[in-house]
Amino acid sequence: EVQLVESGGGLVQPGGSLRLSCAASGFTFSSYEMNWVRQAPGKGLEWVSYISSTGSTIYYADSVKGRFTISRDNAKNSLYLQMNSLRAEDTAVYYCARCAYSYGHTDYWGQGTLVTVSS
Amino acid sequence: QPVLTQSSSASASLGSSVKLTCTLSSGHNNYIIAWHQQQPGKAPRYLMKLEGSGSYNKGSGVPDRFSGSSSGADRYLSISNLQSEDESDYYCETWDSNTRGVFGGGTKLTVL
Repeated sequence: EVQLVESGGGLVQPGGSLRLSCAASGFTFSSYEMNWVRQAPGKGLEWVSYISSTGSTIYYADSVKGRFTISRDNAKNSLYLQMNSLRAEDTAVYYCARCAYSYGHTDYWGQGTLVTVSS
Repeated sequence: QPVLTQSSSASASLGSSVKLTCTLSSGHNNYIIAWHQQQPGKAPRYLMKLEGSGSYNKGSGVPDRFSGSSSGADRYLSISNLQSEDESDYYCETWDSNTRGVFGGGTKLTVL
């Protein structure tokens, strides 16, 4: 069974940092591209960042470019999102999402972790 | 970059059918999309991949009541025999090789 379990969310002050983790199991993690997707309270889904299976190709949404860094450790079956210079508008539930093999859409979602940026 | 447009809300009666629409922006008629369901307070759930031809592939455990179809730039999600648990937000998603993920604004489905 495919499982994606996020951790690392919490309350942080504006300008602060957080590192989110996603532990993957039930599939060959190193073969799959991955995304981070977020959802602000009461709002829709927003794609945040993408990383290829090897980590060699990375993309970011304009809203987080230069502040967030996506990475992965295939030996540990884990995906990460380092978030720096956090702003109030980054407050959201962050989801780890697996890309379907050979396609770009999401085929599995984690349960999400809440990040609250507030003083 | 493709843009996906969805109606903000829809409603239908228990036991009836409903068809939700996701429209691709001009020049992106051939893009594949995915449909996702998000029940209140839960994480999204993948429903299906839907091609411009109308061919679709559903995710594991998705009931037969859910189906997909396409016409030009429009991608449809049809739900028959509506159940109370179908009351959810429905999102379409596509991707671009250069800019990656794109989501529609979502449709809130109310089951009357």
